[in-house]
Amino acid sequence: DIQMTQSPSSLSASVGDRVSITCRASQSISSYLNWYQQKPGKAPKLLIYATSSLQSGVPSRFSGSGAGTDFTLTISSLQPEDFATYYCQQSYDTHTWTFGQGTKVEVK
Amino acid sequence: EVQLVESGGGLVQPGGSLRLSCAASEFTVSSNYMSWVRQAPGKGLEWVSIIYSGGDTYYADSVKGRFTISRDNSKNTLYLQMNSLRVEDTAVYYCARVEWSWNYCHYWGQGTLVTVSS
Repeated sequence: DIQMTQSPSSLSASVGDRVSITCRASQSISSYLNWYQQKPGKAPKLLIYATSSLQSGVPSRFSGSGAGTDFTLTISSLQPEDFATYYCQQSYDTHTWTFGQGTKVEVK
Repeated sequence: EVQLVESGGGLVQPGGSLRLSCAASEFTVSSNYMSWVRQAPGKGLEWVSIIYSGGDTYYADSVKGRFTISRDNSKNTLYLQMNSLRVEDTAVYYCARVEWSWNYCHYWGQGTLVTVSS
């Protein structure tokens, strides 16, 4: 199975900061990498699919990049509503998906 | 508006069974890929199962042989039959509609809590 490793597991940041979260796959997954945001007690919300495609309605301060095994989610200027947990997910293996372990973005 | 509403969660003893339902609105379940994802208390997301529009099904190793994903076209509903439940199956279970092009979960339900405990 493809393993997904996210880093860091948590980070502290301030409003206006630029934040980056990385996700590494145990083998090449081409561009089959998606990012979700989850707030406490809520279902996950799709942010980015296919590495860099922004889901409709998601603010443009969110962006994704990468290919192969290394991927990055960047928030260009952190807003108060962005404090949440972020997960990557590989969908290259159509028979077995895997999520990263999550990155919690907290207030500094 | 696309909507997914899960139900069927609750408290069950180890070794017991439970069937989760996910009622869909404004789209046809059988024409879409559908998935179940779970989240243990305080933990991350874990993919559980997927059913493709053609009917093929796949499972995480942790539930293979114990869980069955299915759908009822007449009710436009997705199911997850869970047998031989274990304490470690305790989680909030989400159903999701999957976009087939890049296999991402576009729409999610609100989740239903399954607690396996004696």
